[in-house]
Amino acid sequence: EVQLVESGGGLVKPGGSLRLSCAASGFTFSSYSMNWVRQAPGKGLEWVSSISSSSSYIYYADSVKGRFTISRDNAKNSLYLQMNSLRAEDTAVYYCARDNGGGLMVIYYWGQGTLVTVSS
Amino acid sequence: NFMLTQPHSVSESPGKTVTISCTGSSGSIASNYVQWYQQRPGSAPTTVIYEDNQRPSGVPDRFSGSIDSSSNSASLTISGLKTEDEADYYCQSYDSSNQGVFGTGTKVTVL
Repeated sequence: EVQLVESGGGLVKPGGSLRLSCAASGFTFSSYSMNWVRQAPGKGLEWVSSISSSSSYIYYADSVKGRFTISRDNAKNSLYLQMNSLRAEDTAVYYCARDNGGGLMVIYYWGQGTLVTVSS
Repeated sequence: NFMLTQPHSVSESPGKTVTISCTGSSGSIASNYVQWYQQRPGSAPTTVIYEDNQRPSGVPDRFSGSIDSSSNSASLTISGLKTEDEADYYCQSYDSSNQGVFGTGTKVTVL
């Protein structure tokens, strides 16, 4: 059974940093591209970043480019999102999501999410 | 910027059919795969359609996806509507600069 378990969320002050982790199990992690998607309270889904299976290709939303860094450790079956210079508008539930192994950003599985709150 | 626009809400009675549209703002929506995600209240999203019209295992065949190039839109059709289908639905694709794009979301209400 595929499992994606996010952790690392919490309350942080504006301008602060936070590192999210996603522990993957139930599949060959190194074979799949991974994504981060977020959802602000009461709002719709927003794509944040994607990383290919070998980290060769990395993409970011304009809203986080230069502040967030996506990475992965295939030996540890883990995905990460380093978030710096956090702003109030980054407050959201952050979901880790796995591709289907085919096309770009074709999400097949989702984690349960971790809440990030940016507030003073 | 490329955008995907959906109706804010649709409602229908149990057993009926609803169709949700997802219209691309520019370019050809047929150029890149479109996915559809279901999100019930208080839960994480789940995938109901991927690669335009493919259903993940476990998703009933009441859910179907299609592309209409003439209107530059994708559609999700739910037939035999059930109360459990009441949820928010989002379409998703990506643009020419490899940025992921989600639709505005549609709330489906089963009367």
